[in-house]
Amino acid sequence: EVQLVESGGGLVQPGGSLRLSCAASGFTFEIYSMNWVRQAPGKGLEWISYISDSGSVEHYADSVKGRFTISRDNARNSVYLEMSSLRAEDTAVYYCARLYGSGMTDYRDFWGQGALVTVSS
Amino acid sequence: DVVMTQSPPSLPVTLGQPASISCTSSQSLVHSDGNTYLSWFQQRPGQSPRRLIYKVSNRDSGVPDRFSGSGSGTEFTLKISRVEAEDVGVYYCMQGSHWPPWTFGQGTKVEIK
Repeated sequence: EVQLVESGGGLVQPGGSLRLSCAASGFTFEIYSMNWVRQAPGKGLEWISYISDSGSVEHYADSVKGRFTISRDNARNSVYLEMSSLRAEDTAVYYCARLYGSGMTDYRDFWGQGALVTVSS
Repeated sequence: DVVMTQSPPSLPVTLGQPASISCTSSQSLVHSDGNTYLSWFQQRPGQSPRRLIYKVSNRDSGVPDRFSGSGSGTEFTLKISRVEAEDVGVYYCMQGSHWPPWTFGQGTKVEIK
């Protein structure tokens, strides 16, 4: 059974930092690119970051560029999101996900259960 | 970036009746490889998104056949042939043809009348 389990969410003050982790199981993690998608309270879905299967390519949404860093450890079947200079508008549930798109041969997609990040003083 | 626009924002439906959600992209989603990477997701209250349809009309494993996707170019539709109580939630379209970024529609909330 495919599982993505996020951890590391919580309450952080504006300007603070937080690191999210996503542990994968049930599939060959190292051959899949991975993403982080977030959802502010009562709002829609926003893609924020991508990392290639090897970790050599990263992409970021403009809203987080320069503040967030995605990384992965294929030996640990994990992907991470290092968040800094956090703002109130970063408050959201953060999902670890494999998204399907052009250039990909495997059509499957996977989503975690989400981790809530609250940025507030 | 490709902008995805859904309508309507809210869709009250009678149980057993059909429902239809539209999604329009700001540019053609036909990729140079000839495929169109348009997906539909369902998000039930309190749950993570679940993909229903990929590449316009391909149903994911376990998705009931009352869900169907159609469209081409910039115009796409998700149809539910007969709405059931478990279909309540928010539905999103997403394009993966021209990434980054992947972009989502703003969502359509399906509720029972």
